[in-house]
Amino acid sequence: QVQLQESGPGLVKPSQTLSLTCTVSGGSISSGSYYWNWIRQSAGKGLEWIGRIFTSGNTNYNPSLKSRVSISVDTSKNQFSLKLSSVTAADTAVYYCAAGSWFILWGQGTLVTVSS
Amino acid sequence: QSVLTQPPSASGTPGQRVTISCSGSISNIGNNTVNWYQQLPGTAPKLLIYSNNQRPSGVPDRFSGSKSGTSASLAISGLQSEDEADYSCAAWDHSLTGVVFGGGTKLTVL
Repeated sequence: QVQLQESGPGLVKPSQTLSLTCTVSGGSISSGSYYWNWIRQSAGKGLEWIGRIFTSGNTNYNPSLKSRVSISVDTSKNQFSLKLSSVTAADTAVYYCAAGSWFILWGQGTLVTVSS
Repeated sequence: QSVLTQPPSASGTPGQRVTISCSGSISNIGNNTVNWYQQLPGTAPKLLIYSNNQRPSGVPDRFSGSKSGTSASLAISGLQSEDEADYSCAAWDHSLTGVVFGGGTKLTVL
């Protein structure tokens, strides 16, 4: 059974780059045709789609974050990653990785706090 | 301000039928399918309905989805206490070239 697990620093300083990794276990990230997504949720607020990467490497990003976001995939490690640059307190949120066009599978989420 | 509009709250008593609405536009719901997610307190969201009205394996048939024009609805029949959760709708938006979510609806079982 495929599972997703986010990992990365829980605390990032303002203006720095947030970096998170999602490890896929129980299946190959490069098998089939799948979208691999990043989604976040600020405290008490709704879900916000950050972006996605296709198995082929093609990406789509949320226009409001596009200038600061990069999503990549490392098939050798069965992982995909998120980088969000120039972070501010507004980027404090629980970050989820999710699989598929319909987000059929989710990681448990990881809280990232932006603070000095 | 979310692109898709949901009521912030809804409530019902055990056994009742409740519906949650999701309103969008021609660039999202009007031309694409809608998905619904259930988020129990302190947990990650879970796919509840996909392609407007399809249930993934394991989702009870008490949950159903529908779409008409630029709006969609999630219906929960035979409401149970364990249905108390946040429910969010989502759809692809071809103008924004991305996925848009509703702000979420907190369902309370009285």
